[in-house]
Amino acid sequence: NAGVTQTPKFRILKIGQSMTLQCTQDMNHNYMYWYRQDPGMGLKLIYYSVGAGITDKGEVPNGYNVSRSTTEDFPLRLELAAPSQTSVYFCASIGQGNEQYFGPGTRLTVT
Amino acid sequence: AQRVTQPEKLLSVFKGAPVELKCNYSYSGSPELFWYVQYSRQRLQLLLRHISRESIKGFTADLNKGETSFHLKKPFAQEEDSAMYYCALMSLWGNAGNMLTFGGGTRLMVKP
Repeated sequence: NAGVTQTPKFRILKIGQSMTLQCTQDMNHNYMYWYRQDPGMGLKLIYYSVGAGITDKGEVPNGYNVSRSTTEDFPLRLELAAPSQTSVYFCASIGQGNEQYFGPGTRLTVT
Repeated sequence: AQRVTQPEKLLSVFKGAPVELKCNYSYSGSPELFWYVQYSRQRLQLLLRHISRESIKGFTADLNKGETSFHLKKPFAQEEDSAMYYCALMSLWGNAGNMLTFGGGTRLMVKP
């Protein structure tokens, strides 16, 4: 199993641009999550999904959108990038025993 | 609302010294707590969870409900233990699903 994969690894956006962060898992997990990690702040939940076709907001959803058309994929969309969205983004899925499996992260800079 | 606090951003020890990374939580329900580790340039990975009471890589953590703490300990630190450590609390979020609330993390540096 590849586990949880994310693309791209790095990205620089200009203010107002849009992009999609891709996340895929091959473990047939129903639950998937998007977190952002700001320096010294831990991780905060942006959106989560409990299965294909079902998504819901986390703690910090403003400025983001998600979709879940398949069990495997959970892309995160930024429509109008802002400097406050400069962060490292982690996708995760949950397996047995509530263990979360994390992707390698996407480092996004908005200038 | 749930909260996880890791009071130390950086902990520096010498190889062979004991290590204790502190974690305190606040949660109205019955807590399910985890420690995650992130080595340099790698993804977060589960280190241990309180319900399994296991020891991984020599690390242990005991849940103390009276003090609302879940400190991570290791009697003899190794250089390869140098990493970021995150304490996390599992709780219900929204209509369904479990969410992890993370502390701010502690960077452990083990010096030779």
